[in-house]
Amino acid sequence: RKEVEQDPGPFNVPEGATVAFNCTYSNSASQSFFWYRQDCRKEPKLLMSVYSSGNEDGRFTAQLNRASQYISLLIRDSKLSDSATYLCVVNRGGSQGNLIFGKGTKLSVKP
Amino acid sequence: DAGVIQSPRHEVTEMGQEVTLRCKPISGHNSLFWYRQTMMRGLELLIYFNNNVPIDDSGMPEDRFSAKMPNASFSTLKIQPSEPRDSAVYFCASSPLISADTQYFGPGTRLTVL
Repeated sequence: RKEVEQDPGPFNVPEGATVAFNCTYSNSASQSFFWYRQDCRKEPKLLMSVYSSGNEDGRFTAQLNRASQYISLLIRDSKLSDSATYLCVVNRGGSQGNLIFGKGTKLSVKP
Repeated sequence: DAGVIQSPRHEVTEMGQEVTLRCKPISGHNSLFWYRQTMMRGLELLIYFNNNVPIDDSGMPEDRFSAKMPNASFSTLKIQPSEPRDSAVYFCASSPLISADTQYFGPGTRLTVL
């Protein structure tokens, strides 16, 4: 099983749609979870951290299910500017900084 | 405040040549990371430093790769000799030591080895 697994997509959705991405991870010792966003030919940027209680930042909601080792990202009312690749990121466990990046899910929002 | 600075932004070289990539982390950040990104393998952690000390270099692919951090504001990643399979985008990232999982990436160096 891959350490962090994501559906590569692409997800093609119209503006205003709600879209959800899922991610699974294999290391039960992982303690920190994140979603990063990467625009085409740009660097990854932190979108949000993911907490067990779930967290929301505007149109974005992230959820963590430790029992199933599963992370999700929900984007509501999607905008053209949301088009990017979304990377699921998990700490390897043991020490901060040692991150494992999924290969990403590509989202394309169309007018 | 300036973000992470990397140079060069693009590098084209021939197989067998030495390549040196440079990184200046965000001022005050104590952790520095080198990553490589390819279509096949995604983003992979090569090595990271805390307070200029290498902590984990298990991601460095082979002896042809080496990294140094002589001071808190500068790091290099060197490939000698370079091979076509080293072609990738190399990112440097930095973070505060207290929250090393929250990393800020530089714009990357796109390396092509012919």
